[in-house]
Amino acid sequence: EVELLESGGGLVQPGGSLRLSCAASDFSFTNYAMSWVRQAPGKGLEWVAAISGSGGKAYYADSVKGRFTISRDNSNYTVYLQMNSLRAEDTAVYYCAKDRGYFDYFFDFWGQGTLVTVSS
Amino acid sequence: DIVMTQSPDSLAVSLGARATINCKSSQSVLYMSKNQNYLAWYQQKSGQPPKLLISWASTRESGVPDRFSGSGSGTDFTLTISSLQAEDVAVYYCQQYYNTPPTFGPGTKVDI
Repeated sequence: EVELLESGGGLVQPGGSLRLSCAASDFSFTNYAMSWVRQAPGKGLEWVAAISGSGGKAYYADSVKGRFTISRDNSNYTVYLQMNSLRAEDTAVYYCAKDRGYFDYFFDFWGQGTLVTVSS
Repeated sequence: DIVMTQSPDSLAVSLGARATINCKSSQSVLYMSKNQNYLAWYQQKSGQPPKLLISWASTRESGVPDRFSGSGSGTDFTLTISSLQAEDVAVYYCQQYYNTPPTFGPGTKVDI
């Protein structure tokens, strides 16, 4: 059974930084792109960033471009999201999601999410 | 970006009755050369992550009950729950993956 376990969320002040991690297990990790998708409290879903299986290609939503960086460590089956210059509007539950394939951009497994709160 | 809209915002359905959720995209998500619609449906129960129900507009995921079905093409799509069960109470989202960025509808809340 595929498992995705996010960590690293918490309370951070505006302008601060946070790094999220997503530990994956039970699938051929390098064969799949991975994404981060966020959900603001009581709101809908917003795709944030995606990275290829090799880690060589990454794409971002305009709302986070230049502030967030997605990366992966294939030897440790982990995906990261480095978030800098955080704003109040970045407050959300951040989900790690497995792509169906190579940037198919729909997501067949999701983690439980980690909450990021940006507030002073 | 492709904008996804859903209707209704919420609906209450009796146990065993049919629930119908509509999804519309601001441009076609039909990839003509492949004759495939790049449209997925997700179910999100309270306090849980989304779960993929349907991809390619009408292909049910393994393990998804056959009371869930997807239909439509181009810009107009429908998710139907043929006989609502108590465990189907959730918010349902459509999502297009025709273009980057992938975008989601605002969700439809289904209650008993």
